[in-house]
Amino acid sequence: KAGVTQTPRYLIKTRGQQVTLSCSPISGHRSVSWYQQTPGQGLQFLFEYFSETQRNKGNFPGRFSGRQFSNSRSEMNVSTLELGDSALYLCASSLGTGGDYGYTFGSGTRLTVV
Amino acid sequence: AQKVTQAQTEISVVEKEDVTLDCVYETRDTTYYLFWYKQPPSGELVFLIRRNSFDEQNEISGRYSWNFQKSTSSFNFTITASQVVDSAVYFCALSERGIQGAQKLVFGQGTRLTINP
Repeated sequence: KAGVTQTPRYLIKTRGQQVTLSCSPISGHRSVSWYQQTPGQGLQFLFEYFSETQRNKGNFPGRFSGRQFSNSRSEMNVSTLELGDSALYLCASSLGTGGDYGYTFGSGTRLTVV
Repeated sequence: AQKVTQAQTEISVVEKEDVTLDCVYETRDTTYYLFWYKQPPSGELVFLIRRNSFDEQNEISGRYSWNFQKSTSSFNFTITASQVVDSAVYFCALSERGIQGAQKLVFGQGTRLTINP
């Protein structure tokens, strides 16, 4: 059974650019959540999608957005990149409501903004 | 708001020693879930355990054990006879219920565990 796949693994972007990260959940999982991990702030929740609808959103500026497709794959987009957006972005998939079923995480995308 | 505190930022022990990682949480929910994850240098968060708020039984899985005490809002993790492969950052997390019944994870700051040979 394939795990959660995140692409790309590494990314270097210039300040002001935009970036799109992709996450393919475990087959059959309908919930995808995104988390940002930085040395200073730790792991913080970005948003969660379930059946193509955003159900929950963290405290991040509007430059951070996401979407989910009918096959449950999800993308997150960050526009007008800032140096502080450099982080490891982790995606988690869940069968339904995460607490009830648990979360499986991908290996992450490490974004560096220069 | 819900909160998870892992007071130990770094722990270093010699192989075969037992080590306990502490986790204290705050929540107003009566129904919640607690998790432990391991993060090796590769970055992936590896699931270790999930426990719901109604199940206070301690759990043992091989060299790993967990002690859940609602009275003290703690969910501690013990590794017995530690091994070098246990070296990683360990995160305790609490599921928080959001709107529309959606849930998200609130993480502690993590404990970096180093097992020295």
